[in-house]
Amino acid sequence: AQSVTQPDIHITVSEGASLELRCNYSYGATPYLFWYVQSPGQGLQLLLKYFSGDTLVQGIKGFEAEFKRSQSSFNLRKPSVHWSDAAEYFCAVGALGDYKLSFGAGTTVTVRA
Amino acid sequence: AAGVIQSPRHLIKEKRETATLKCYPIPRHDTVYWYQQGPGQDPQFLISFYEKMQSDKGSIPDRFSAQQFSDYHSELNMSSLELGDSALYFCASGGRGQGNTEAFFGQGTRLTVV
Repeated sequence: AQSVTQPDIHITVSEGASLELRCNYSYGATPYLFWYVQSPGQGLQLLLKYFSGDTLVQGIKGFEAEFKRSQSSFNLRKPSVHWSDAAEYFCAVGALGDYKLSFGAGTTVTVRA
Repeated sequence: AAGVIQSPRHLIKEKRETATLKCYPIPRHDTVYWYQQGPGQDPQFLISFYEKMQSDKGSIPDRFSAQQFSDYHSELNMSSLELGDSALYFCASGGRGQGNTEAFFGQGTRLTVV
């Protein structure tokens, strides 16, 4: 069975500070990993994805994530957050070509001035 | 670029009524996935279609049914609505085959059952 754990329910960070969101997954085969962002009342926007190759992937809005197979982790990072980064972030795992994703419970990010 | 279109964006229904949610995938996408996101919850997979046939089924109540039509749009039919059905319903579309590595999500339909 596949599952995703996001240990942090809520993170508060100051504008301009760095941000790291944790994601651990459990998957029986080669995992395909995603990070989505959701603003209040809005849909899911893909930030980045990992399938293979370089374990450090770059996404939109200045985000990056690092895949660590030994730790079953896919943590999301941003060096300097902006107030517009306040949102909910979901990590998800699936299989290539299969869009049945298992999502983590999400991490809510609050950005303080 | 065209995106996944869901309609309506908002829907208010009373208990025991029925509701129909529609999803129009990105052109040339042949797969559609439906997700339900309850308040403060993560999205949960409901059901999926590939080439107009049901391809997978998740935690979809028996009161719900769905289908994919010849033009690849999909409809989620919900009957005997309950208060607990209030949620944001997402549709995602994708294409099978190599190079198709991403599902594109619609903006969702927010269903409120009163």
